[in-house]
Amino acid sequence: DAGITQSPRYKITETGRQVTLMCHQTWSHSYMFWYRQDLGHGLRLIYYSAAADITDKGEVPDGYVVSRSKTENFPLTLESATRSQTSVYFCASSEEGKAEAFFGQGTRLTVV
Amino acid sequence: GNSVTQMEGPVTLSEEAFLTINCTYTATGYPSLFWYVQYPGEGLQLLLKATKADDKGSNKGFEATYRKETTSFHLEKGSVQVSDSAVYFCALRGSARQLTFGSGTQLTVLP
Repeated sequence: DAGITQSPRYKITETGRQVTLMCHQTWSHSYMFWYRQDLGHGLRLIYYSAAADITDKGEVPDGYVVSRSKTENFPLTLESATRSQTSVYFCASSEEGKAEAFFGQGTRLTVV
Repeated sequence: GNSVTQMEGPVTLSEEAFLTINCTYTATGYPSLFWYVQYPGEGLQLLLKATKADDKGSNKGFEATYRKETTSFHLEKGSVQVSDSAVYFCALRGSARQLTFGSGTQLTVLP
């Protein structure tokens, strides 16, 4: 299917475990982003990527790792999950030269 | 840095009422401005956008005008429907590629 897809949609993990959230887009957009959504904070940028093998920190990068070996994929890894990382995570992509970004359906992550 | 301030919610209206959700921003240069909508259990969808001063974005009966003099991008709709119940986010994109979001406004429309 065309578009941007995230997996899994829901995930429960234990404190201290490593977990990876997947993001795949079929548009070949240059830019990809990871946001987390928490009540009262709107969406906050975790990491973004301008192209394959180019990534940069956003507003709240601590505790997260990203990679982008292929243009279409942008996985987000929590190296050692903490309860404060319980959140809804959104991946987005944006085409070079265009202002708007397009979002995936989100992954609801609960760390217990 | 860039920031977006949105009207606090939640907002509850009756069907066919007039809607305004205020949004003001702080940014250097000439940002692009957006309204995104999030329906329950879904991701964010682009509702409308404006890329330069005095532009009016419009979609599905919603409108917002880019006012550089007041650094505002207020969302309006003349007659809301129950199906408009959602969370609305104001956002901007400055010289960097990432979006900066407001905290969101929950809208509930009652029949």
